[in-house]
Amino acid sequence: KAGVTQTPRYLIKTRGQQVTLSCSPISGHRSVSWYQQTPGQGLQFLFEYFSETQRNKGNFPGRFSGRQFSNSRSEMNVSTLELGDSALYLCASSLASRTSGGALTYNEQFFGPGTRLTVL
Amino acid sequence: GENVEQHPSTLSVQEGDSAVIKCTYSDSASNYFPWYKQELGKRPQLIIDIRSNVGEKKDQRIAVTLNKTAKHFSLHITETQPEDSAVYFCAGGGSTLGRLYFGRGTQLTVWP
Repeated sequence: KAGVTQTPRYLIKTRGQQVTLSCSPISGHRSVSWYQQTPGQGLQFLFEYFSETQRNKGNFPGRFSGRQFSNSRSEMNVSTLELGDSALYLCASSLASRTSGGALTYNEQFFGPGTRLTVL
Repeated sequence: GENVEQHPSTLSVQEGDSAVIKCTYSDSASNYFPWYKQELGKRPQLIIDIRSNVGEKKDQRIAVTLNKTAKHFSLHITETQPEDSAVYFCAGGGSTLGRLYFGRGTQLTVWP
């Protein structure tokens, strides 16, 4: 199976602009999580989507948003970019499934190559 | 939320020696603990994971141990090789949650 893919791989933007990043999960994976990676803060969780619904959200401002499409592909958007938004943005897909009782169970998370965003 | 702490932040070993990286977590509800290896400029890659119903898991030169009572888990790499040099991240989370809480990473350098 093809791995997780992300586009674009590199982006350079200026303060105040907005950006949209895309993530295509492994075929059959319905959960997509987004993380921000910086040298200072490490890997921080942004949000997670399953079946087009945001199920978890990290502690980031409202400028960070996302969505998931019916084919499980996901996008994240950052509006009004700030210098501090410069980071590697990683998405991860997981083969989540529902138990007979209706609860969601997640398996391993596999990361994409990331999008390197530089804000000038 | 969960808080995962990782030590040491840097680790240098001679080729052939063993390396141990330790992590602690705070939330007793966490039941899934993966380890990722990230080489420079590449994506984090899952190398091994352990669930709370298991105390130890081994895969060739890599092993992970989990102590639920003490809320800590460790990565053990034996017979280290230069290609083991990378940043290693531990993480914790619940299997019913779609998020992982990551440690700050350990830069492992294996000298030939």
